[in-house]
Parts: sequence; structure tokens; C-alpha cells
Amino acid sequence: DTGVSQNPRHKITKRGQNVTFRCDPISEHNRLYWYRQTLGQGPEFLTYFQNEAQLEKSRLLSDRFSAERPKGSFSTLEIQRTEQGDSAMYLCASSFPGLADSEAQYFGPGTRLLVL
Amino acid sequence: AQSVTQPDIHITVSEGASLELRCNYSYGATPYLFWYVQSPGQGLQLLLKYFSGDTLVQGIKGFEAEFKRSQSSFNLRKPSVHWSDAAEYFCAVGEAGNNNDMRFGAGTRLTVKP
Repeated sequence: DTGVSQNPRHKITKRGQNVTFRCDPISEHNRLYWYRQTLGQGPEFLTYFQNEAQLEKSRLLSDRFSAERPKGSFSTLEIQRTEQGDSAMYLCASSFPGLADSEAQYFGPGTRLLVL
Repeated sequence: AQSVTQPDIHITVSEGASLELRCNYSYGATPYLFWYVQSPGQGLQLLLKYFSGDTLVQGIKGFEAEFKRSQSSFNLRKPSVHWSDAAEYFCAVGEAGNNNDMRFGAGTRLTVKP
């Protein structure tokens, strides 16, 4: 399967702990996006990368959040000192502007985080 | 900035009946418009998209959507709903050439009655 993959699928942690999520985009896609989705809402944009460069961050991305895409392939999203309000589904998507289907983002299955 | 409104939080239809899910957007220029479907606990699957050209676009699973600029709408339709269509549906709008800032509606939950 060549879709977007995310690991882990579920994470339960205690408040104050750090967590890290991984996203592997579709292999030829050079753009990678992170979103957060809370219950009953649509996804909210967090940040995106073009290759290894992080080009935009949402104001939702507090100082406790950091994302990397060191080699322009997979990406990690780390949340430090987790809070209960961080409980959500974290979605990753990828796209490749320049293809005929350029502006469509393809999503992974998400990582559901529960902070106790 | 662009925004999306999905007026219906929850819709129930009988299996075999037709379906229309509403989506209204706010955007100054020509938008890129998308419909995604999400099953419980899963990521989003792209149903269809509109960039330009024919305002009636066909998607997967028998869905179609029509872009109406005068009404700022991009409603999703299906002539005959199947039980497997029960899911959450999201409309999204992006900016041509700058689609990193895609905005999603709050979603419409579809229930299908036998």
C-alpha cells in the first residue's frame, strides 16, 4: 500500500509526559501537512513542510509542539509536557503540487492521543 | 481568509434514498473545493475535488458535487445511498496555488436507516 501511514495509531499518556508521532507520506509527495481534529470538528491546520523546510505554522502550534522532516521524507510531531487539552486525533496528509492532481491532500489514518 | 460552513450537523436518510449534503464557502477568489469522508476512528478519504472547468464533478463511490459560484456552494449529492455510506463528511476549501491553508467545515454526520 502506498498511502500515507501514521504511527502509532493510538497513544495514551499521562499529563506532563512527552509524546512523538510519526508520519510517512506517499513517496513522491514533497508536501506534508499536520492537522489536529477534536471530537465533532473538522481538521485544523497545524503546520506544513515542503521537502524538509517547515514553511508555515498555525497559531494553534504552541511552543510545546515541534515538527520535523529532516530528510524531506517522513515527519515527526512532538508534544512536550502534554496537557489534557492536547487529547485529539492528529492527522497527517501529503500532496505533490505539479501533478495533475496537485492540490489534493491525501490523509493518513491518524494518531489518536488521549492525555490522562 | 477562507471559511466553510456545513449547515447540517446530522442527517438521516433511508437506504436507497437520495442524498444532498450542503456546503457553503467564503472566499474572495476562485476556490479549490473538496469533499472528504471519514469513518469512525479513521483518517479522511478524498471523495472528489473541484479546481476549475466543469462545475459538476464526479467522485468515487457514486458521489458528485456541483460548484455554484453565485451561491458560494459546493453541495455533495448521491442518487441512492447505501448503508456503507454512513460516515462523517467534510467539505474543505483551499486557495489556488497556496493550498497549504485548507479550511474544513465542521462536518455532517450521515446516518443511513435500513
